Amino acid sequence: EPEVTQTPSHQVTQMGQEVILRCVPISNHLYFYWYRQILGQKVEFLVSFYNNEISEKSEIFDDQFSVERPDGSNFTLKIRSTKLEDSAMYFCASRDRGDDEQYFGPGTRLTVT
Amino acid sequence: GEDVEQSLFLSVREGDSSVINCTYTDSSSTYLYWYKQEPGAGLQLLTYIFSNMDMKQDQRLTVLLNKKDKHLSLRIADTQTGDSAIYFCAESTEGGYQKVTFGTGTKLQVIP
Repeated sequence: EPEVTQTPSHQVTQMGQEVILRCVPISNHLYFYWYRQILGQKVEFLVSFYNNEISEKSEIFDDQFSVERPDGSNFTLKIRSTKLEDSAMYFCASRDRGDDEQYFGPGTRLTVT
Repeated sequence: GEDVEQSLFLSVREGDSSVINCTYTDSSSTYLYWYKQEPGAGLQLLTYIFSNMDMKQDQRLTVLLNKKDKHLSLRIADTQTGDSAIYFCAESTEGGYQKVTFGTGTKLQVIP
């Protein structure tokens, strides 16, 4: 069964460093999403992406964040200058047109020290 | 904005039924979901219901929706230790790009 994959599973970085979180959505899916979950808190929407552009973003998704689909298979989330409060689990999701379900990846745990 | 609330913790004995409750505020919600998250794992969609339905049953899972009160529940029959996890209620609205708004999650502990 096709699934969303994410790499790495755990990333440790120092404050101020740039990080890129990678996702491979399900092939042929058209809508892509990033969510984050700070430890012990709810899962929060960050951004949705369709037709090679951001379709919606939350207040969390400020200028420090960017997303890209550099080729036909990868979907990346970049944090330019990480802060301690960026430490969280980041989930990628994808959805096909006409499908009600978003398929979530296993997540990348980001630890900023 | 949209808000989804759940109780934080539920403890049941193995073999009993579990009922996890959720309330939401967005009257335009079209889809209401239940996700399961096991320790260290991702989000697994268990089931979902359209807002024009009152009930959906899927094996041991029963979802009840009271649209008037904006109340959603998930009943797990014959709860097993493998059901121990965090359960997230979530909603999205048809149209647009369907971002999902999650609740706070309910930690279900099943006692053998």
